[in-house]
Amino acid sequence: AQSVAQPEDQVNVAEGNPLTVKCTYSVSGNPYLFWYVQYPNRGLQFLLKYITGDNLVKGSYGFEAEFNKSQTSFHLKKPSALVSDSALYFCAVREKGKLIFGQGTELSVKP
Amino acid sequence: GAGVSQSPSNKVTEKGKDVELRCDPISGHTALYWYRQSLGQGLEFLIYFQGNSAPDKSGLPSDRFSAERTGGSVSTLTIQRTQQEDSAVYLCASSLGYDPLTVSYGYTFGSGTRLTVV
Repeated sequence: AQSVAQPEDQVNVAEGNPLTVKCTYSVSGNPYLFWYVQYPNRGLQFLLKYITGDNLVKGSYGFEAEFNKSQTSFHLKKPSALVSDSALYFCAVREKGKLIFGQGTELSVKP
Repeated sequence: GAGVSQSPSNKVTEKGKDVELRCDPISGHTALYWYRQSLGQGLEFLIYFQGNSAPDKSGLPSDRFSAERTGGSVSTLTIQRTQQEDSAVYLCASSLGYDPLTVSYGYTFGSGTRLTVV
């Protein structure tokens, strides 16, 4: 079965600093990977996805993710964090037409 | 509608009672998904429907859980004889197609139903 792991329950970053939210995957075949964000009291929103091609994928709100096959990772990044980026972030992998999500990482950006 | 609508937004029920959770997907979306979000458990896949195909029920945790989708639109998730471990937020999502690879913007999620079993 396909799976993703988010090794950090929480990430704390100062506003203006770069942020990284980690995700590693375990798949058979080609990985199709996704990031979603859940803001407080709001539904999950799609950020970006990797299907094939360029290892650096750009998404919404200035986020990007780097696919690394040798490290089986798909870390979410942003060059300069905003307080408004504080939210719960989920990595996901496609399996048979549905998404399997990780445990989630709580990102806290302090002024 | 403009988004995925779930009702009720909150539900408190006594252990052993049955509950029904409703999801109204975006009009025209052929795929509908149910997930469960619990503290420390992340987002757990439950079931998904695609058009007239047989649903993928592989994520349902026990035979107390069932779901149906009438007329390819509204879906109801039913939990029978609720237990305290069923307490969670139940999320519904819909998309234009069943495969997230072909849907450029991904799933659209509702705000969820928070179920508390006391």
